[in-house]
Order: sequence, then structure tokens, then C-alpha cells
Amino acid sequence: EIVLTQSPDTLSLSPGERATLSCRASQSVMSHYLAWYQQKPGQAPRLLISGTSSRATGIPDRFRGRGSGTDFTLTISSLEPEDFAVYYCQQYSSAQVTFGGGTKVEI
Amino acid sequence: QVQLQESGPGLVKPSQTLSLTCTVSGVSVSSGTYYWTWVRQPAGKGLEWIGRVSDSGSTSYNPSLKGRVTISEDTSTNQFSLRVTSVTAADTAVYYCARYSLFYYGMDVWGQGTTVTVSS
Repeated sequence: EIVLTQSPDTLSLSPGERATLSCRASQSVMSHYLAWYQQKPGQAPRLLISGTSSRATGIPDRFRGRGSGTDFTLTISSLEPEDFAVYYCQQYSSAQVTFGGGTKVEI
Repeated sequence: QVQLQESGPGLVKPSQTLSLTCTVSGVSVSSGTYYWTWVRQPAGKGLEWIGRVSDSGSTSYNPSLKGRVTISEDTSTNQFSLRVTSVTAADTAVYYCARYSLFYYGMDVWGQGTTVTVSS
């Protein structure tokens, strides 16, 4: 099983600042199979990024994913008030899916 | 518009079986471009993938659930279902059904989630 470790656990920032979230895998992950989700309190997760860097429908371009192998990053270029949430990375490999533990982006 | 909706009992006794159904609208569960997936989330914790079923009925499960899980689909009702046997308090969580797209390789549509509490 591929373990995904996200860091930091919590990111305390202000609106307008840049957020950089890390997702590190215990084994190499194919780029096609790395996704990011956003979850707000009381809501289901929402797909932000798939295939490491492709934004899902309706996701603004301030969200950018990149990376390869075992190191992946989600960057929010300039935080909007609605971006304060928990973010999860997720991988698919050998018919198994795992999620990272999440990073909370708080004001 | 594709929608998923979970349904099932909100309270299950320890050692019994948890059963949930996800009703899919706007797309057929027979479509070959999706995996139909269950994810759960204990209160205040992260997301845990439970497993998935494909259009052909093939399944894959999280090994940590140690054979207690069965996911199946019913093309006649356009639903897919989750069964977890021998539940304990550790199975208390919000349970989500989701569509895993084999085009995007991500869970692009989610249900709203349903809370299941395991308690006597």
C-alpha cells in the first residue's frame, strides 16, 4: 500500500497570501493517478486537481498542482476567503486508493 | 446532471451489519468509464477509501477492512451498495458514495454523505 504523507498539518495564512501544500508518497506514484480534493466543514470533498496538474471543471486557476514520483505539491497562489478548508491528496495504484491525512488551511 | 444519494440506517448495533445504498441519477452504473466508490470519514478525521465496484461487477477493497466489506451494483435500479459486517464503534463515520472517473482518475461526483453510528 502506498502511504501519502501531507505536510504541514495546519497552515495559518491570511487572505491574499500564497499557500503551498505538500504530499509525499512512500513509493513512486504515476502522475496520472494523483489527485487533490478540498473539503469544507459539513460538506463532501470536491475534486480540485487530477492527473497531478489538471484542474477539475470550474476550479479557478489560482489552484496549481505539480510534482512527480514521490513528491507532489498543491499551490494556491493568492488565498480567497472561500479557500480556507482542508485539502487531501489521493493516489490510485494497483487497484487500491489511499488518501493523505489532510492539510488544514486556516485564517 | 449527475447526482449520487446515500441512504440507509443511521444507527447500527455492534456486531451487526451496516448496509448502505447509493442511488445514482444522470448516468448509468453500467458505464465503463467509472468506478463506483465508497469513502468514509470518522468525525474530525481524514478520508478512508473503503472500496469500489466497476461496471463489470469487479471489486477492490481496502485491505485494512479485513474481508468485512462487500460492494455490489444493481443495474436494474441504477444503485450500488455497501455492506460492512461485524461492525464496532470504529466503524462510526460519515459514509460517502462517489464516482471515480477513469478519464480524470479522480472522484469527480460525491454524494452528500450519511452518518452511521455504531452503538447499542
